[in-house]
Amino acid sequence: QQQVKQSPQSLIVQKGGISIINCAYENTAFDYFPWYQQFPGKGPALLIAIRPDVSEKKEGRFTISFNKSAKQFSLHIMDSQPGDSATYFCAASTGGFGNEKLTFGTGTRLTIIP
Amino acid sequence: DGGITQSPKYLFRKEGQNVTLSCEQNLNHDAMYWYRQDPGQGLRLIYYSQIVNDFQKGDIAEGYSVSREKKESFPLTVTSAQKNPTAFYLCASSITGGPRGTDTQYFGPGTRLTVL
Repeated sequence: QQQVKQSPQSLIVQKGGISIINCAYENTAFDYFPWYQQFPGKGPALLIAIRPDVSEKKEGRFTISFNKSAKQFSLHIMDSQPGDSATYFCAASTGGFGNEKLTFGTGTRLTIIP
Repeated sequence: DGGITQSPKYLFRKEGQNVTLSCEQNLNHDAMYWYRQDPGQGLRLIYYSQIVNDFQKGDIAEGYSVSREKKESFPLTVTSAQKNPTAFYLCASSITGGPRGTDTQYFGPGTRLTVL
């Protein structure tokens, strides 16, 4: 049972454009929603994360939008650059002691073209 | 220089052999995790451990075993019972019981296992 659904599977965006990746979840007990960035042959690295008490979080060119009622959250990459080409994973957890394990989406392979 | 190390980076084994993947962290994290990554399937949790000498099965534990004798170390053994062991294996760690916002999982560089 996949509890976090991620789309699209792959995405091609022109340099300078906006990249948007979407995730939807089922478990209303999820309390923590991170996004990870992974380059080929490397481990994922935390990019940005959000809690459900805010609807948006921005860090530099990266923004998470969160819609609690729709059980959806998305990653926006503004002014996309070739160095952003990577695989992005959304994830969710219920948080709190003993509940730190994450459920991951299936990933989006992002390619930024010049 | 704190972090998570996994060794080796590439590992080749013959079918039917058990193999142990190493994961060490010096972040003083209580919790450690093992994931398997296959193309198009994201990261799937194999085992996790929140304290020394205790561990729990994840979503795909069959054919794998772990131990947690030390806080810093969480080795994963891929046994001959694992039907399709060729994959990219990732180890991660996090603190437990901390304030909200501190449960980030930090990943190691991964081990690519190929069974011939």
